[in-house]
Amino acid sequence: EIEMTQSPATLSVSPGERATLSCRASQSVSSNLAWYQQKPGQAPRLLIYGASTRATGIPARFSGSGSGTEFTLTISSLQSEDFAVYYCQQYNNWPPWTFGQGTKVEIK
Amino acid sequence: EVQLVESGGGLVKPGGSLRLSCAASGFTFSSYSMNWVRQAPGKGLEWVSLISRSSNYIYYADSVKGRFTISRDNAKNSLYLQMNSLRAEDTAVYYCARDRGYCSGGRCYSTDFDYWGQGALVTVSS
Repeated sequence: EIEMTQSPATLSVSPGERATLSCRASQSVSSNLAWYQQKPGQAPRLLIYGASTRATGIPARFSGSGSGTEFTLTISSLQSEDFAVYYCQQYNNWPPWTFGQGTKVEIK
Repeated sequence: EVQLVESGGGLVKPGGSLRLSCAASGFTFSSYSMNWVRQAPGKGLEWVSLISRSSNYIYYADSVKGRFTISRDNAKNSLYLQMNSLRAEDTAVYYCARDRGYCSGGRCYSTDFDYWGQGALVTVSS
């Protein structure tokens, strides 16, 4: 089973600033990685797939990069609606499909 | 518009059973693999089970294997999760999620989960 580790657990950022979230896989997942956003009381929403492709309707301020075992989600200029928890997920080796433990982006 | 609506959640005693349903609309249900993903209170996401478009392939997380059964009815655009021998640690919000997936060269591959329902809360407590 591939273990996904996200860092940091919590990221405090001011609106308008840049946020950089990391995700590391215990073994290579190629580019088979997705990022999700989850707001309190809501279902997760797909942001990025294939490590760097934005899902339909996702603003350009969200970008993903990386391959192999190291991945990054960058939010270029945080908006109020971006404060949420973000999860990475690998779909290279399954089952199981595994998620990171999440990074909470909070207002500084 | 793609919609996934879960139902069937509730309070159940340890050792009891519950059946979740997920009604799909806005897309060709039979063309997609489907998943159940759960989230314990205050915790992260845990994949539970996947069923392929024709029910040919079914997978379970080790934590639920032998106790949970996933199924689907393509004629009714519906996904199900039969949960037996429930434990306190099964308490969670259960989401159904569409697998974006693709087929190539006669094989089908799971990918990310592009649409999610709003979730159904299952509480296992005496």
